[in-house]
Amino acid sequence: KAGVTQTPRYLIKTRGQQVTLSCSPISGHRSVSWYQQTPGQGLQFLFEYFSETQRNKGNFPGRFSGRQFSNSRSEMNVSTLELGDSALYLCASSLKDLYNEQFFGPGTRLTVL
Amino acid sequence: QKEVEQNSGPLSVPEGAIASLNCTYSDRGSQSFFWYRQYSGKSPELIMFIYSNGDKEDGRFTAQLNKASQYVSLLIRDSQPSDSATYLCAVPGSARQLTFGSGTQLTVLP
Repeated sequence: KAGVTQTPRYLIKTRGQQVTLSCSPISGHRSVSWYQQTPGQGLQFLFEYFSETQRNKGNFPGRFSGRQFSNSRSEMNVSTLELGDSALYLCASSLKDLYNEQFFGPGTRLTVL
Repeated sequence: QKEVEQNSGPLSVPEGAIASLNCTYSDRGSQSFFWYRQYSGKSPELIMFIYSNGDKEDGRFTAQLNKASQYVSLLIRDSQPSDSATYLCAVPGSARQLTFGSGTQLTVLP
């Protein structure tokens, strides 16, 4: 069974731009979560989607948004990029929710210049 | 108090030794616990999960839960240089978020 895939793997943007990241979960998994990982803050929860509905959201500004499609694929969008948004963005999928095992994709490395 | 805490290390053990990693959690109602391994430049990989009903052994890895003291540990027997990585503990929080510790960096010396 194929794992979680994320595109693109690397991205360079400048301040003020916006970016869209994509995640395809493991087949049959309906829950998709997004995390930001930085050396200083570690892994921080952004939001979780299940059946096209955002079930939970972490403590991030409204510039960070996401959505999930009927095939469980998910996208996250960051608008008006700031230097501090440079990070590894990870997507994880699980069968139903965070009480099940979550499997991570390879991540998207975003650099904001 | 952070919801999930780990010693950041680094922790160094000689090859063949037992590596012991600990994680404390604040939510006494937590029912499941996850251990992830993350190699430098890679994404976290799930290596072990346990539920509040007991410990678990999987090959060289053993996860143990101490509910009274609210910590979960990961033991790696016969440590190998390939085990050198950062180990992350994760616990579903009361706000329905999976909260990660900051990770413990393990180095296994040949």
